[in-house]
Amino acid sequence: AQSVTQPDIHITVSEGASLELRCNYSYGATPYLFWYVQSPGQGLQLLLKYFSGDTLVQGIKGFEAEFKRSQSSFNLRKPSVHWSDAAEYFCAVGAVDSGAGSYQLTFGKGTKLSVIP
Amino acid sequence: GVTQSPTHLIKTRGQQVTLRCSSQSGHNTVSWYQQALGQGPQFIFQYYREEENGRGNFPPRFSGLQFPNDSSELNVNALELDDSALYLCASSLFRNSPLHFGNGTRLTVT
Repeated sequence: AQSVTQPDIHITVSEGASLELRCNYSYGATPYLFWYVQSPGQGLQLLLKYFSGDTLVQGIKGFEAEFKRSQSSFNLRKPSVHWSDAAEYFCAVGAVDSGAGSYQLTFGKGTKLSVIP
Repeated sequence: GVTQSPTHLIKTRGQQVTLRCSSQSGHNTVSWYQQALGQGPQFIFQYYREEENGRGNFPPRFSGLQFPNDSSELNVNALELDDSALYLCASSLFRNSPLHFGNGTRLTVT
């Protein structure tokens, strides 16, 4: 079964500083990987996804992530954080159930990002 | 986008609840996730063309329906205190397309 580990529960950065959120996954095949962001009281918004191809993926709001198969990692980065980026970030691995044809995401427990003005 | 109703709900242990979701137009797949406080979402099940198409580790008292008009329901019978959570609906264009989530229904069981 697949799993996702986000080692950092809470990260605090200053506005304008760079950001890296860590994500490690466990999955037997080539994974589909995602980063979602959740603001308080809101649902999940897709930041970016990796299905195949170029291992450096660009997303919305200036975020990018790099897939490293050898390290089973998919870390999220942003060169300069804005106060509005404060939220909770979830990494997820997508797995297709070949029997049912269904597609389910397994999420990490999330990293809460606080931004100091 | 994906809309869910109601936004908040309080129920008593043992009761039954129905949560509703309206998928993004044209999306034929809907998935439901449970997000307990401080946790990541957990997959409950997925519906494709009105049939259950996969289920996570949830008991049969969690059931669903998907209708032809882009709407769907999550039903939970015999509510337990641990069912208190944010329930998220997500739709996708195809079964392996990225999921688009609604804002969720916050269920509190007392």
